[in-house]
Amino acid sequence: GNSVTQMEGPVTLSEEAFLTINCTYTATGYPSLFWYVQYPGEGLQLLLKATKADDKGSNKGFEATYRKETTSFHLEKGSVQVSDSAVYFCALSEEAAGNKLTFGGGTRVLVKP
Amino acid sequence: EAGVAQSPRYKIIEKRQSVAFWCNPISGHATLYWYQQILGQGPKLLIQFQNNGVVDDSQLPKDRFSAERLKGVDSTLKIQPAKLEDSAVYLCASSLFSAFSGNTIYFGEGSWLTVV
Repeated sequence: GNSVTQMEGPVTLSEEAFLTINCTYTATGYPSLFWYVQYPGEGLQLLLKATKADDKGSNKGFEATYRKETTSFHLEKGSVQVSDSAVYFCALSEEAAGNKLTFGGGTRVLVKP
Repeated sequence: EAGVAQSPRYKIIEKRQSVAFWCNPISGHATLYWYQQILGQGPKLLIQFQNNGVVDDSQLPKDRFSAERLKGVDSTLKIQPAKLEDSAVYLCASSLFSAFSGNTIYFGEGSWLTVV
């Protein structure tokens, strides 16, 4: 079945540091890939997505590139802010599996001033 | 545009009691999902509806959980009787159309359940 593996947290950074969160996936076909973010006390929000190989999703300074050859979708941001403190979830969706989201376990990121 | 609405936001019950959660998806969204998120884990799908039909309920513990989506709009998730391990956040989500894997799925703020 489909699965998503992402690096465990918590990840603690100083403001303006570079952030990378690793995500790899297993799928039977050609999934779409997503990053969702959950800020404290809030629901899940879509951060970015990519629907085919070599696509780059980007939003709010975050980027992730769909790498089919390495089955990866790593999230990066060049200069984090305190407001980026949240839990980040990598997820995939595949048509053959009914287009439901399969999530990784989440990575908590804490940015200190 | 109004988002996915859920209620109640918080509920504390004793084990063996029952609880029900309500969800109102974004207007016009045909697909509705219920996810369970246990603390420290990623959300896990419980059930997926397309209009008022069930698409996937393979992960729903049917001996205690039930869900319905009458008229293809609102949905209710019920747990009876609750167990301690049901303590989690129950997330409702909706999407416009499920035929495309890249379709964005929108989540509500969740209903937090504590079973004591």
